[in-house]
Amino acid sequence: QKEVEQNSGPLSVPEGAIASLNCTYSDRVSQSFFWYRQYSGKSPELIMSIYSNGDKEDGRFTAQLNKASQYVSLLIRDSQPSDSATYLCAVTSNDYKLSFGAGTTVTVRA
Amino acid sequence: DTEVTQTPKHLVMGMTNKKSLKCEQHMGHRAMYWYKQKAKKPPELMFVYSYEKLSINESVPSRFSPECPNSSLLNLHLHALQPEDSALYLCASSPYTGQGQPYTFGSGTRLTVV
Repeated sequence: QKEVEQNSGPLSVPEGAIASLNCTYSDRVSQSFFWYRQYSGKSPELIMSIYSNGDKEDGRFTAQLNKASQYVSLLIRDSQPSDSATYLCAVTSNDYKLSFGAGTTVTVRA
Repeated sequence: DTEVTQTPKHLVMGMTNKKSLKCEQHMGHRAMYWYKQKAKKPPELMFVYSYEKLSINESVPSRFSPECPNSSLLNLHLHALQPEDSALYLCASSPYTGQGQPYTFGSGTRLTVV
């Protein structure tokens, strides 16, 4: 079983819509969860971090964490063409390694 | 300064060459990392340095040799690489190792082995 799994993409949404990205993790003791955005040919860029159950909002981005279900999600509201990228879910495991999911590629159609 | 700087940005090397990748940060971070990313795959951890000491080696072949000369600098020495080692090599840093530490990534070195 992979440590971090993301919903398969690619995900195509019209401009202005909500993009919903999901991620599950296998290590029950994980406590730190991150979403990175990676444009093609570029390095990952941290866009959200979440450590406790519930929602965390930052601008058009909302991260949701449910530790009981081992589930973390990212919502992108009012999607813009500039949001077109691959979104990587990352989880810090008990041995302090940051492990990444395979990524979900999002395309926002103008 | 909130950047991690990697040089060179691109590198083409033959299988008999020796080359080095360099990573530098001036954020006062005490943890530094090397990741390898193949096309359309997520980054994979290679090495972790904590307070200039190697703390994790993810069973990386010895043709990759990391070095941390000081708290701001991380090198990756390359020797006798194979074509399948061609990838984007990412350096990252965080304040410390451990839970809750966000990583800052450099822009990467795109390596091609011919």
